[in-house]
Amino acid sequence: QSALTQPASVSGSPGQSITISCTGTSSDVGGYNYVSWYQQHPGKAPKLMIYDVSNRPSGVSNRFSGSKSGNTASLTISGLQAEDEADYYCSSYTSSSASVVFGGGTKLTVL
Amino acid sequence: QVQLVESGGGVVQPGGSLRLSCAASGFTFSSYGMHWVRQAPGKGLEWVAFIRYDGSNKYYADSVKGRFTISRDNSKNTLYLQMNSLRAEDTAVYYCAKDLREYSYGYDGIDYWGQGTLVTVSS
Repeated sequence: QSALTQPASVSGSPGQSITISCTGTSSDVGGYNYVSWYQQHPGKAPKLMIYDVSNRPSGVSNRFSGSKSGNTASLTISGLQAEDEADYYCSSYTSSSASVVFGGGTKLTVL
Repeated sequence: QVQLVESGGGVVQPGGSLRLSCAASGFTFSSYGMHWVRQAPGKGLEWVAFIRYDGSNKYYADSVKGRFTISRDNSKNTLYLQMNSLRAEDTAVYYCAKDLREYSYGYDGIDYWGQGTLVTVSS
């Protein structure tokens, strides 16, 4: 159950857009449209931001969007705001173990 | 609104056991699969286990297989995680989490998380 690969950190200025990548294999990200993204602020529980690659739950800002190409999924945050500063995790179903696998997490810093 | 409240965490010696509970409310518990996910101090999320809505199927991470058991009592709207043969590397905050869709096999994601309960394995 190898973790999906995410960059350790990304940063951007208020108002800018950033993209966080999540790379897996054909057994997980590339093979299924079951990629989710979670936001986690320090000391808090994770919050679902994107599911099924590109769907936003009710209440999540449309500044958050998701996509996928091949074995890599991406989370894009447009119009960066200070409150977006958090850790972001991707997850996917993996057929190699019939389970869920998470990415290592990406720390977003809003400069 | 959906609420998931974990309990049962604490300090335990290596080789010991602990049972975590998660009280669920605000949704039809008996229609949804449930997950346990953990997060070691300063580290990322690690999926631990999943149980289908009716308890018919259970799945485990390799790191806990044979030591941890997930179960549920739909009459009490409660999820459990029995942890045996605990190791130092099991030290983490353990989150109870609700599956995204009814009756699924747990591969489509998590939409709600509890606040977590801390398990510390130390002598």
